[in-house]
Amino acid sequence: AQTVTQSQPEMSVQEAETVTLSCTYDTSESDYYLFWYKQPPSRQMILVIRQEAYKQQNATENRFSVNFQKAAKSFSLKISDSQLGDAAMYFCAYRSPYNDMRFGAGTRLTVKP
Amino acid sequence: DARVTQTPRDKVTEMGQEVTMRCQPILGHNTVFWYRQTMMQGLELLAYFRNRAPLDDSGMPKDRFSAEMPDATLATLKIQPSEPRDSAVYFCASGQGDLRGGEQFFGPGTRLTVL
Repeated sequence: AQTVTQSQPEMSVQEAETVTLSCTYDTSESDYYLFWYKQPPSRQMILVIRQEAYKQQNATENRFSVNFQKAAKSFSLKISDSQLGDAAMYFCAYRSPYNDMRFGAGTRLTVKP
Repeated sequence: DARVTQTPRDKVTEMGQEVTMRCQPILGHNTVFWYRQTMMQGLELLAYFRNRAPLDDSGMPKDRFSAEMPDATLATLKIQPSEPRDSAVYFCASGQGDLRGGEQFFGPGTRLTVL
């Protein structure tokens, strides 16, 4: 079964600085998708970024970018120019076609002013 | 701005009572998911529907939980009888099958407290 591991239960970053959240996954599939979701204190789950495994280019959405290392089965999220509104739980998720999504345990990000 | 809606947002009930949670998926989405989130277990998939048909409910305790989609605009999750260990946040999410990798859009969740 596919598993998703987020080894950092908590992370902290200074406002305007850059932070990287780690995620690794275990799979024997070659075709799959990876996601980062953000859950602020409002508890709403918000999609931050998506990566297709067949694409070598790392996905980018404004200040959010990923470092996708397929061979290493690693999918880290980089947040640049951190803002107070970035404080949240961040969940890494994996999905292969026709299967359900698997979530990691989450990383709580604190942004210090 | 299309969104998944869930009601109620919060529910406090006593042990043994029936609880019904409702979800309206985004119009046009054909997949619906129910998740439970707790501090100890994280996000757990309870049930998964595609085109209103249940595809996977292996994560759901069958003796007390039931999930249905009476029509394409409504999904329900019922707990009868409820127990204190059912206290959690329950999320509904919808998507368009495998489009965009199976991206899921989440509702705001129902926080259930069973006393």
